[in-house]
Amino acid sequence: KAGVTQTPRYLIKTRGQQVTLSCSPISGHRSVSWYQQTPGQGLQFLFEYFSETQRNKGNFPGRFSGRQFSNSRSEMNVSTLELGDSALYLCASSKTGATEAFFGQGTRLTVV
Amino acid sequence: AQSVTQLDSQVPVFEEAPVELRCNYSSSVSVYLFWYVQYPNQGLQLLLKYLSGSTLVKGINGFEAEFNKSQTSFHLRKPSVHISDTAEYFCAVLGDNTNAGKSTFGDGTTLTVKP
Repeated sequence: KAGVTQTPRYLIKTRGQQVTLSCSPISGHRSVSWYQQTPGQGLQFLFEYFSETQRNKGNFPGRFSGRQFSNSRSEMNVSTLELGDSALYLCASSKTGATEAFFGQGTRLTVV
Repeated sequence: AQSVTQLDSQVPVFEEAPVELRCNYSSSVSVYLFWYVQYPNQGLQLLLKYLSGSTLVKGINGFEAEFNKSQTSFHLRKPSVHISDTAEYFCAVLGDNTNAGKSTFGDGTTLTVKP
């Protein structure tokens, strides 16, 4: 069974640009969550989607947004990138959001 | 609201010695508890989980953890560590359905196994 797939693995963007990250969950999983991981702040929850609906949202500015498609694949978008957005972005999928989550390898975003 | 405290940021240990990584949590509702491991430049891998039932749970790679409701703890243990166990370990809590898909993580414990 294929795991959670995140693309791309690495990204370098310039301040002010926007970026879109993609996440394909494990087959049959309908919940997809996104996290930002930085050395200073640790793992912080961005948002969670279930059946194309955002159910929970973390404490991030509106520049961070996401969506989920009917096949449960999810994307997150960050607009007007700032240097502080440099981080490892992790996607996790679970069957319902109320059980264990499985993580992808992450996308390492560097903003210069 | 829920929170997780990992009591040790770094744990150095010699190969074949036992290890315990400590985790305390706080929550106003029943929770599910997890331990994850992260190797450099990788995602998180699930080591073990407590959802219900027996308070002693066994995971992959010889790890186990004990859920203690009265002490709100979920400590991770391994009787004999290997060099390959060197990694960062995260304790996480998942609350009720109002927080579906929203795990709260501790700050992590770096386990360093020395030869």
